[in-house]
Amino acid sequence: QVQLHESGPGLVKPSETLSLTCTVSGGSISRYSWSWIRQAAGKGLEWIGRFYKGGNTHYNPSLRSRLAMSVDTSKNYFSLTLTSVTAADTAVYYCAVEQGTFGPWGQGTLVTVSS
Amino acid sequence: DIQMTQSPSSLSASVGDTVSITCRASQDINKSLAWYQQKPGKAPDLLLYAASRLQGGVPSRFSGSGSGTNYTLTISNLQPEDFSTYYCHQYYLDPRTFGQGTKVDIK
Repeated sequence: QVQLHESGPGLVKPSETLSLTCTVSGGSISRYSWSWIRQAAGKGLEWIGRFYKGGNTHYNPSLRSRLAMSVDTSKNYFSLTLTSVTAADTAVYYCAVEQGTFGPWGQGTLVTVSS
Repeated sequence: DIQMTQSPSSLSASVGDTVSITCRASQDINKSLAWYQQKPGKAPDLLLYAASRLQGGVPSRFSGSGSGTNYTLTISNLQPEDFSTYYCHQYYLDPRTFGQGTKVDIK
């Protein structure tokens, strides 16, 4: 069973760049497509974007101008970078396998944007 | 974007009850609809996909139906572990979108 683990700074200052990593174990990162999803406190789920197993990416248009995703197949992890963050980017960020539906998921990492 | 309108936003029920949650898409999503259960502090878990197909290991008291723009999740014989928040999710088109969630709590 593939397992995912998100990591990154818990606190980011406004206007700075958020960087998160999702480390994959129990399977090759080249085998699947991967997505990032976030959830603000007490709110619903927002799909951020996808890294296809073929190497392409697809981002939510609402975040596209600030977003980048990449993968390191040698280390079996993929990353998210979100620039110019604001308080509205405060959320729990999840990575997940995507095969149409999402799952398995990581446990999530809370990112707070605050000065 | 495809808007997913989920209702109700919350409901109260008792153990043993049958409850239903509906999800309406802003356009036909051709049964590309999944349901997730989320417990506090945890990631969502996939319950059903393709509107009515049960994910492996999910109890048969969970069922799904619907087509076109209208979908329903039904939980029969509600168990204590079922008191959670449920989300629908369309995977027909990008950007993927979710319903607002339905919190099922104990009456």
